[in-house]
Amino acid sequence: QKEVEQDPGPLSVPEGAIVSLNCTYSNSAFQYFMWYRQYSRKGPELLMYTYSSGNKEDGRFTAQVDKSSKYISLFIRDSQPSDSATYLCAISRTGGFKTIFGAGTRLFVKA
Amino acid sequence: SAVISQKPSRDICQRGTSLTIQCQVDSQVTMMFWYRQQPGQSLTLIATANQGSEATYESGFVIDKFPISRPNLTFSTLTVSNMSPEDSSIYLCSVVQGANTGELFFGEGSRLTVL
Repeated sequence: QKEVEQDPGPLSVPEGAIVSLNCTYSNSAFQYFMWYRQYSRKGPELLMYTYSSGNKEDGRFTAQVDKSSKYISLFIRDSQPSDSATYLCAISRTGGFKTIFGAGTRLFVKA
Repeated sequence: SAVISQKPSRDICQRGTSLTIQCQVDSQVTMMFWYRQQPGQSLTLIATANQGSEATYESGFVIDKFPISRPNLTFSTLTVSNMSPEDSSIYLCSVVQGANTGELFFGEGSRLTVL
């Protein structure tokens, strides 16, 4: 079993839609939960970061962590064509060190 | 935030040859990480490059295949040795800033194609 599972998609939505991206993980020892965004031919960039459980909101983006079910989510409201990218969930025990990435979900937002 | 430059950005190589990828950071960092991103797959950590000591390799990766240098706090190299088509991948250098935030900064990657 992989330590983090993520549906690779692709996921195609119309502009303005609410997007839900999800990952599951297997080990309850993970404390740091991140979402990275990767545009084509670019390196990943950190989008959202959460320590332990709960929600975190930043503009149109909301990250949720449910440690009881080992489930992490990223919601994008009012999606835009510029949101078209690959979104990778990531988990870590020790904050950046030995970060484990999900497979990434390719998102296409159609104008 | 750290700015990371990688060279080359892409290359096409012949089977059996070796290629060295360079990573330059605009600030001093303790640890630098090398990741591999194979086509359609996620990022896999190859090794952690420590300044002044040997690199620490993850399971499945060995020094003979992926030798790493870390001569100072702003620079590292990764060599992919005796390449085969299976080594065709994007290789990414990254650093972490702020020990409590967990944020990784990445270079734009080096896209290798092995024929």
